[in-house]
Amino acid sequence: QKEVEQNSGPLSVPEGAIASLNCTYSDRGSQSFFWYRQYSGKSPELIMSIYSNGDKEDGRFTAQLNKASQYVSLLIRDSQPSDSATYLCAALMDSSYKLIFGSGTRLLVRP
Amino acid sequence: DTGVSQNPRHKITKRGQNVTFRCDPISEHNRLYWYRQTLGQGPEFLTYFQNEAQLEKSRLLSDRFSAERPKGSFSTLEIQRTEQGDSAMYLCASSFRDGGEKLFFGSGTQLSVL
Repeated sequence: QKEVEQNSGPLSVPEGAIASLNCTYSDRGSQSFFWYRQYSGKSPELIMSIYSNGDKEDGRFTAQLNKASQYVSLLIRDSQPSDSATYLCAALMDSSYKLIFGSGTRLLVRP
Repeated sequence: DTGVSQNPRHKITKRGQNVTFRCDPISEHNRLYWYRQTLGQGPEFLTYFQNEAQLEKSRLLSDRFSAERPKGSFSTLEIQRTEQGDSAMYLCASSFRDGGEKLFFGSGTQLSVL
């Protein structure tokens, strides 16, 4: 079992729709979670962090965390073609400094 | 803030040769990470420094890989006796100690081993 798992996609949504990206993690002790966006040929860039159960909103992005279910999600409202990228979920392992990434979900927003 | 800088951007080498990559983190960041990424995969953790101390190293990292961060500033990653399986993008990231592990990545060094 991978430590952080994501569906590789691609997830295809029409412009203006809500894109929902999901992630599960195996280490129950993980406390910090992150979503990174990676455009093709570029390096990852941080878009959201979440540390507590519940929702965290930032503009068009909402991160959701459910530690009991070991589940993290990212919602993108009013999706734009410029949101087309690979979205990487990452978890900070308990008692460790290493951030573990999932394999990423490719999102395609159709104009 | 000039961002995380990595050199070279691309490196082509023959199998068996040694290669060295350099990373200059954001100046006030005291934490530095090396990751490796192959096509279709997420970044894979290699090693982590806090200041000049190497605090964690992946079990997957063979003894052909070594990293240093003298004086807690820039870092180098050396791969000895390269193999074709070492071909990947090598990413450096840095963060501030109280930044909640919010990593800022450099543009990476793309290694191709022929």
